[in-house]
Amino acid sequence: KNQVEQSPQSLIILEGKNCTLQCNYTVSPFSNLRWYKQDTGRGPVSLTIMTFSENTKSNGRYTATLDADTKQSSLHITASQLSDSASYICVVGGFGNEKLTFGTGTRLTIIP
Amino acid sequence: GAGVSQSPSNKVTEKGKDVELRCDPISGHTALYWYRQSLGQGLEFLIYFQGNSAPDKSGLPSDRFSAERTGGSVSTLTIQRTQQEDSAVYLCASSLALDRVSYGYTFGSGTRLTVV
Repeated sequence: KNQVEQSPQSLIILEGKNCTLQCNYTVSPFSNLRWYKQDTGRGPVSLTIMTFSENTKSNGRYTATLDADTKQSSLHITASQLSDSASYICVVGGFGNEKLTFGTGTRLTIIP
Repeated sequence: GAGVSQSPSNKVTEKGKDVELRCDPISGHTALYWYRQSLGQGLEFLIYFQGNSAPDKSGLPSDRFSAERTGGSVSTLTIQRTQQEDSAVYLCASSLALDRVSYGYTFGSGTRLTVV
C-alpha cells in the first residue's frame, strides 16, 4: 500500500530559527515528490516539486532534499518567520497514475 | 480565473440531506481533481477528470458520491443522503494536463462540510 509518513507531527520553534521536516514514503513506482504549505482554512500551495533525478530544490528560504534510494525527503526552513506557521504536507506522485499520496502533514508553529 | 474557486466555503447540512459542492478550475486546466481532507488525516483522492476521457472514480468512497464536469470546466461533487462521516474539507485541484510535474496542481480553498 502506498504510504507517506511525516515527522514530527507538530513542531514549535522560535522566530528566526531553522527547522527540518521529514518525509518517508513507500509509493511505487515513484514519479515525483512535492512539498505543500497549507495555511489554516486554505488549500495547499506548492513549495517544491522534485522528480527522482533531483536531489535538492530550493524556493526562497525553503530547501527540499530527496533521496530516492532510501525514499526519504526533507524540507528545511531557514530563518523562520511568523508567516511560516502552517501545515507542511509531503505529497508523492506515482508514475503512470494521477492519484497523489498525501502525508498527514507537520503542523509548524513559529512563536515570537 | 486567477485561481481555483470553490463554493460554498462552508456547508452545514442535516444527516440524510443531499449536498452539491462546486469547483471552478483555472481557465485552460484540463485536469481536475477532488480530494477529501478529514480531521487529522491526509488528503484522500476521490475522483479525477481529464479532458473528455472517462473520469477515474476509483477514490469515491460509496455510491452516494458522484461528480460531473460540464463542458470540461466547472465540476460539481454531489453527496446524497449525507452521513456524519462525510464531514470533511473537500478540496478541488486543477492542473495543466500536459505537464503536471512541472506545473503542479493548484488547489482551491476547499468546502468545509459538516453533517449534523
